[in-house]
Amino acid sequence: DAGVIQSPRHEVTEMGQEVTLRCKPISGHDYLFWYRQTMMRGLELLIYFNNNVPIDDSGMPEDRFSAKMPNASFSTLKIQPSEPRDSAVYFCASSPDLTGNTIYFGEGSWLTVV
Amino acid sequence: ILNVEQSPQSLHVQEGDSTNFTCSFPSSNFYALHWYRWETAKSPEALFVMTLNGDEKKKGRISATLNTKEGYSYLYIKGSQPEDSATYLCALPLGDYKLSFGAGTTVTVRA
Repeated sequence: DAGVIQSPRHEVTEMGQEVTLRCKPISGHDYLFWYRQTMMRGLELLIYFNNNVPIDDSGMPEDRFSAKMPNASFSTLKIQPSEPRDSAVYFCASSPDLTGNTIYFGEGSWLTVV
Repeated sequence: ILNVEQSPQSLHVQEGDSTNFTCSFPSSNFYALHWYRWETAKSPEALFVMTLNGDEKKKGRISATLNTKEGYSYLYIKGSQPEDSATYLCALPLGDYKLSFGAGTTVTVRA
């Protein structure tokens, strides 16, 4: 398996623009997670899905953020409108279950909003 | 301790020296502890999953111990090499079983 695949790897956008980050989880993994890494807050869980259903979005910072998982092999995280404080590394990860097993991360999407 | 805490936040090590750092966590309702290694521009990579009090795990020059009664885990790097430079993250399922990550310890090994 190729692992968790994210795109784009890097994005620089202007404040106010819409940003869409994409993720393909590892086949067979029932859980998909979106994390954000910043210097100030470390690695934060934004939202996670179980079998394509959003289970907990309490980490989503505000209404400008939304995430979807239309099928088992694809998820998106959208920011509209983007702001400079959204600049961070966004990781997608997948796992066979919620607790005891390793979470497998993608390489991250490095977002800069100017 | 209510959350996952790591210390120190960063450290610099001379090549060849050994080092260690700490992950602290709530000792009640312990289930499992994960260590990850993250090099910039790469995926965080799983190092260990530890579940039993007194567990010791080893992978090459990196090892980890676990004390679930007092709520801490140590990660050790023996004979540090420049390729060990990375951020080391620990994580545990807390409360509702989602993995909660510490802020990480960033290790820089100087040649």
